[in-house]
Amino acid sequence: NAGVTQTPKFRVLKTGQSMTLLCAQDMNHEYMYWYRQDPGMGLRLIHYSVGEGTTAKGEVPDGYNVSRLKKQNFLLGLESAAPSQTSVYFCASTGTLNTGELFFGEGSRLTVL
Amino acid sequence: AQSVTQLDSHVSVSEGTPVLLRCNYSSSYSPSLFWYVQHPNKGLQLLLKYTSAATLVKGINGFEAEFKKSETSFHLTKPSAHMSDAAEYFCVVRINSGGYQKVTFGIGTKLQVIP
Repeated sequence: NAGVTQTPKFRVLKTGQSMTLLCAQDMNHEYMYWYRQDPGMGLRLIHYSVGEGTTAKGEVPDGYNVSRLKKQNFLLGLESAAPSQTSVYFCASTGTLNTGELFFGEGSRLTVL
Repeated sequence: AQSVTQLDSHVSVSEGTPVLLRCNYSSSYSPSLFWYVQHPNKGLQLLLKYTSAATLVKGINGFEAEFKKSETSFHLTKPSAHMSDAAEYFCVVRINSGGYQKVTFGIGTKLQVIP
């Protein structure tokens, strides 16, 4: 029973490098989200998707891109990493708007030097 | 517009004593409210949720929360703290109006349990 799986769990980048975080869910959920968690700021929404082939911007989308080519996968890309993107990234999914539980991955800790 | 305010960033209790974590919200629509718990280096786990049914909601591990519309509050309580309750807790507001959904997280409350 995997739920939501994020890879990689840890990554260190140099400024200007690119990388992709992968989120995979096996619950056939329509809705998927990428959040970043920073001390004292809670979780902030980066991008989200309401179905395969669709994406939308959240609160803090700058510097990130996403893709949802397959229903079960939601990719978060950093084209040119900056130290301000050092954070813990969480992917979440849900099958039902409003009342449905958000299921979270265990997080990906990214450090940009 | 909606917002969530967790009134305490840190709460410290002795093992066996009651826990109270406070959450106030504002929303232009009827909200669904959630409490999540995050243990160190882990993802967020749902504790309980309010979705316009009973105002007193019971969750996992002995936690419960009461939705008080007049006070716009959704405080989390537990009668007796256990060491394993030490974690960070997030209050979350979700609205869904005409297909538009917005989720807002509080900044979190770290609960310390003293033996």
